[in-house]
Amino acid sequence: SQQGEEDPQALSIQEGENATMNCSYKTSINNLQWYRQNSGRGLVHLILIRSNEREKHSGRLRVTLDTSKKSSSLLITASRAADTASYFCATDGEAGTALIFGKGTTLSVSS
Amino acid sequence: ETGVTQTPRHLVMGMTNKKSLKCEQHLGHNAMYWYKQSAKKPLELMFVYNFKEQTENNSVPSRFSPECPNSSHLFLHLHTLQPEDSALYLCASSHTGWFENTEAFFGQGTRLTVV
Repeated sequence: SQQGEEDPQALSIQEGENATMNCSYKTSINNLQWYRQNSGRGLVHLILIRSNEREKHSGRLRVTLDTSKKSSSLLITASRAADTASYFCATDGEAGTALIFGKGTTLSVSS
Repeated sequence: ETGVTQTPRHLVMGMTNKKSLKCEQHLGHNAMYWYKQSAKKPLELMFVYNFKEQTENNSVPSRFSPECPNSSHLFLHLHTLQPEDSALYLCASSHTGWFENTEAFFGQGTRLTVV
């Protein structure tokens, strides 16, 4: 069953602009994670935010978590062409044993 | 290189064939997963293994048969597949699959085409 759902489904921006992606989920969570996938490849972990955290930074990435609204956002600042990829949020499944992913946001950064 | 290796990278098989996908990790993780990624669909969790024991089977058809002989290796045996089973099959591993998930490491995937 799908837990996270990203918004928008697709995003096109110019290099140097900021990109914001949102994720909504349905059940209570222990943590929420964001992953990146280049076309046809495996997923790469970006950042994990725990349910008792509200904001986390990693380089050009900023993640927020609002457990009352069951939502999270991923902000990529000063985007680069190399940031072009699909981005997924993932949360604990209902059984708590594995990550459940949303459909992802496809980000395209043009130079 | 994530430390999770999947073979083969590409596989074309007929509907009557039997083939196996292999996944190997030497990260010391105790949880391993199979996911299916079809076009325009979310990643679908298929199977979860914790300490070699299958802990989750997400209503996967019996034509997909997982095997986990040890904590480092995971197989997905395929037989009498359908064209709609064509997808990218991703293996992942993590330190633990219980209660609180840590970071998952993914392989590059096997692109499967059923003809």
